Amino acid sequence: GENVEQHPSTLSVQEGDSAVIKCTYSDSASNYFPWYKQELGKRPQLIIDIRSNVGEKKDQRIAVTLNKTAKHFSLHITETQPEDSAVYFCAASLGISSGSARQLTFGSGTQLTVLP
Amino acid sequence: NAGVTQTPKFQVLKTGQSMTLQCAQDMNHNSMYWYRQDPGMGLRLIYYSASEGTTDKGEVPNGYNVSRLNKREFSLRLESAAPSQTSVYFCASKTEHTGELFFGEGSRLTVL
Repeated sequence: GENVEQHPSTLSVQEGDSAVIKCTYSDSASNYFPWYKQELGKRPQLIIDIRSNVGEKKDQRIAVTLNKTAKHFSLHITETQPEDSAVYFCAASLGISSGSARQLTFGSGTQLTVLP
Repeated sequence: NAGVTQTPKFQVLKTGQSMTLQCAQDMNHNSMYWYRQDPGMGLRLIYYSASEGTTDKGEVPNGYNVSRLNKREFSLRLESAAPSQTSVYFCASKTEHTGELFFGEGSRLTVL
């Protein structure tokens, strides 16, 4: 099955700096890569996702890049703010239809701390 | 529109006791999931249901059973709880439109 590795496990940055979290996946057939944010004591929530037919996607201060050849994808947060402090999970999937429900595999998470 | 609701939020069990975690969604989603979250291990899939009437094992199904009661409800049962099942459990449902998972608030289970 799919294996997703995520680094680093913890990351501290100064407010205003950028943060980068990296993930690698093992199954070259995976084609859907979402990122979830989980604030302390809360439920995970989707913040951005990318499909294999694009190399980069941006949404305000967050962006995700995908390198299918190398089988890795990254989350970039610019101009970090204290409210960005949370655990971030990457995931990989064979697709988004019901038939591929099983194949969404999560990374182990990155605890991001933004220091004021 | 409550999204995904799960109960209870907290539970303490003794080894060998049984319990059921309840989950319901009001978004008319076909797919529902149960995950467990442990420190440093991310979210691991226990069981999922691609549609009403079907269930299938995920990555860590041992010690658990599930029931997809109807399209809205998907319950997780621990028949004989073990300390290794101490965890935070999340129920989720998925929109096929975008593939986004919507999670419940989580259930913190401690097995003594």
